[in-house]
Amino acid sequence: SQQGEEDPQALSIQEGENATMNCSYKTSINNLQWYRQNSGRGLVHLILIRSNEREKHSGRLRVTLDTSKKSSSLLITASRAADTASYFCATDEYNFNKFYFGSGTKLNVKP
Amino acid sequence: DAGVIQSPRHEVTEMGQEVTLRCKPISGHDYLFWYRQTMMRGLELLIYFNNNVPIDDSGMPEDRFSAKMPNASFSTLKIQPSEPRDSAVYFCASSLWDQPQHFGDGTRLSIL
Repeated sequence: SQQGEEDPQALSIQEGENATMNCSYKTSINNLQWYRQNSGRGLVHLILIRSNEREKHSGRLRVTLDTSKKSSSLLITASRAADTASYFCATDEYNFNKFYFGSGTKLNVKP
Repeated sequence: DAGVIQSPRHEVTEMGQEVTLRCKPISGHDYLFWYRQTMMRGLELLIYFNNNVPIDDSGMPEDRFSAKMPNASFSTLKIQPSEPRDSAVYFCASSLWDQPQHFGDGTRLSIL
């Protein structure tokens, strides 16, 4: 299985601090995506990074990808209480558009 | 734009009953995915379609589960007969090739 696995499983920080979540996967990928899920809602796409990219930014989000280590990280800078959610990475099977989701990191940002 | 629409949002039914979950993907998307989310197993891909054709149903747990996509704007996931262990949140998502998936808000299913 190419399932990504997030680390840590849970993270609790104060508002204004940075939050870093990691994702490891097992085999070659075409792209890696990060999603957010608020309680009781569906997943919302955050960032897609392709296998030939090393870093990508979107607002307060920064994603890195190290294909040699088969790992990715999601950094949320200057966190806000509204960032409280579960964060998932998803990896694809090359050319099949089929994605495997990890078990997620539960982020709690305390006001 | 309307997102992925799932119905019902909540379903409570007794063991042995037939359950039908519905999904309307985003117009123009040619991939549709059905997932199941539980605390124990996380988010599992059950089946996905491309251009209304099932491509991979290896995640469907057993013959009690079936999914159809009669046209580009509608899909169903059916469980017959339902069992308590089927209780979970079921998500539908749609996308274009090699693009992010858009998820519905899910159907929370409870089998008593």
